[in-house]
Amino acid sequence: SAVISQKPSRDICQRGTSLTIQCQVDSQVTMMFWYRQQPGQSLTLIATANQGSEATYESGFVIDKFPISRPNLTFSTLTVSNMSPEDSSIYLCSVCPGLGYEQYFGPGTRLTVT
Amino acid sequence: GENVGLHLPTLSVQEGDNSIINCAYSNSASDYFIWYKQESGKGPQFIIDIRSNMDKRQGQRVTVLLNKTVKHLSLQIAATQPGDSAVYFCAESASGGSYIPTFGRGTSLIVHP
Repeated sequence: SAVISQKPSRDICQRGTSLTIQCQVDSQVTMMFWYRQQPGQSLTLIATANQGSEATYESGFVIDKFPISRPNLTFSTLTVSNMSPEDSSIYLCSVCPGLGYEQYFGPGTRLTVT
Repeated sequence: GENVGLHLPTLSVQEGDNSIINCAYSNSASDYFIWYKQESGKGPQFIIDIRSNMDKRQGQRVTVLLNKTVKHLSLQIAATQPGDSAVYFCAESASGGSYIPTFGRGTSLIVHP
């Protein structure tokens, strides 16, 4: 398993601003993922972030809006840029330690954009 | 794409009853399935998984059943407890594909004491 922390746990931001979310893992992992979960809904994958390469974005998500950094095997950041109220959501990072396909998730960052 | 405006299905049970949460998956190539539990304010937590070469797998108080013919997955929770109240998600992935799981819609389980 892996223990994952995220900062901030929640934030309220004004439209047009940007927020960077940090994800820290207690062990080295190759694969990290960023998800969005809108209230009462399932998880939608934003991008896959591998250390040493550019993130791979899913359909509907672009790097200019959600830039991702992965400077080492234990850390990643997701920035939500030029925010609008539609970006209000829970953002989750997860890792796949490689022992199977199961993922381990952080506690999430609850973002509200006003 | 993402569904907008849909509410999660809800299952209400009494403490001590058995709960069955169902999930239909769509990809015939999926060969690995996982159930996650998400409590309020937390990230999803791995519960149990099953590969397509099995039709049943048991854990502690939980059993997952897989019916590949009708692409159906279920999670059975025995002697449900108030601490089991959460949203449960199934996820499917294909080892021959990107292996990144696709999450189902989720079911909210409410356990009444």
